[in-house]
Amino acid sequence: DQQVKQNSPSLSVQEGRISILNCDYTNSMFDYFLWYKKYPAEGPTFLISISSIKDKNEDGRFTVFLNKSAKHLSLHIVPSQPGDSAVYFCAASSLPGTPLVFGKGTRLSVIA
Amino acid sequence: EAQVTQNPRYLITVTGKKLTVTCSQNMNHEYMSWYRQDPGLGLRQIYYSMNVEVTDKGDVPEGYKVSRKEKRNFPLILESPSPNQTSLYFCASSLTPGYGYTFGSGTRLTVV
Repeated sequence: DQQVKQNSPSLSVQEGRISILNCDYTNSMFDYFLWYKKYPAEGPTFLISISSIKDKNEDGRFTVFLNKSAKHLSLHIVPSQPGDSAVYFCAASSLPGTPLVFGKGTRLSVIA
Repeated sequence: EAQVTQNPRYLITVTGKKLTVTCSQNMNHEYMSWYRQDPGLGLRQIYYSMNVEVTDKGDVPEGYKVSRKEKRNFPLILESPSPNQTSLYFCASSLTPGYGYTFGSGTRLTVV
């Protein structure tokens, strides 16, 4: 049973437009959420996170929104650049002492 | 430079021949974990370790062993590899299990 779901395996966006990657979760105990970015032949790297006490966190072109009532979070990339083309993983945790749970990932392609 | 180092990066082996993938981190992290990444399945946790001599099964532990004799090292052992263990493997470490992980660059294993 998947606790973290990324229902879109892939997404294509034109350069300069907004990319929106979505993630849904089922465990209401999750209180910390992260996004990781993965290029081919490299390990995932941390991108941005959000605590359940917030509904938005921004870092440059990247913003994560959290809707706790809908158990939904999204990652917005504005403006999208070709270098953003990668697989994005959503992850969540319920307590500091429990491992992160990852979604299956969404492959973003930014077309020039 | 803070990093997680995995070796080898690529490995082709035959069914049944024992192998070890090494993982080492230089950040004094207590938590370490192994994942495998397969198409359409995302990152699945194999084993994790909260500290020295403390290991636990993840979601897909069958066919794998681990050990944590020192804080910095967390090798993944395949006693009798089978073709269904052909995959891309990642080691990760962090200060605590529920927060930002640092991943290694990955080991692509092919079992024929």
